[in-house]
Amino acid sequence: NAGVMQNPRHLVRRRGQEARLRCSPMKGHSHVYWYRQLPEEGLKFMVYLQKENIIDESGMPKERFSAEFPKEGPSILRIQQVVRGDSAAYFCASSPPGLAEETQYFGPGTRLLVL
Amino acid sequence: DAKTTQPTSMDCAEGRAANLPCNHSTISGNEYVYWYRQIHSQGPQYIIHGLKNNETNEMASLIITEDRKSSTLILPHATLRDTAVYYCIVRVAGGFKTIFGAGTRLFVKA
Repeated sequence: NAGVMQNPRHLVRRRGQEARLRCSPMKGHSHVYWYRQLPEEGLKFMVYLQKENIIDESGMPKERFSAEFPKEGPSILRIQQVVRGDSAAYFCASSPPGLAEETQYFGPGTRLLVL
Repeated sequence: DAKTTQPTSMDCAEGRAANLPCNHSTISGNEYVYWYRQIHSQGPQYIIHGLKNNETNEMASLIITEDRKSSTLILPHATLRDTAVYYCIVRVAGGFKTIFGAGTRLFVKA
């Protein structure tokens, strides 16, 4: 059973470009979470999605950031008009439906560098 | 979710048990204790979790005090590859925001 997959693993963008980060959850998992880790800091929750629904996006910056988890295909975290402060590691996690504890399993992350 | 307090760093000799403490004195009755670790900027790795009973799996043991105000993660035979930042997290059942603190940097030395 493959783990959580994220691609690309590394992404370089110039200021003003768009960044698209993809996350494929573990097989059988229908819940996806995105976290951001700035250099030398802890992980910060961004958004929680279920298939075709955003459940909580309280950790997402109000502008330029969006996330989706379509019925088919991976979850996408989209950052428009990137700025240098967006440089960070972005981690996706997934969990199965129906378990009270909802253990989250993390992917390897995408490291975004904005030049 | 309740706040946790962990030592900033710890050392452990290779082959010895590593005991990582965590204080969660404000934990609620429906909050679980989770442990994750992050090895040098990789994705966080789930280790173990528990509610009130002690738990053991192939990676570690989790000892939770009777009053649930603190817990200890035990790596029974630490190896160099266990060098990582270890995060103790408390989260309500069904909650989704895993709040990571600063964690404990464990250095396993030969």
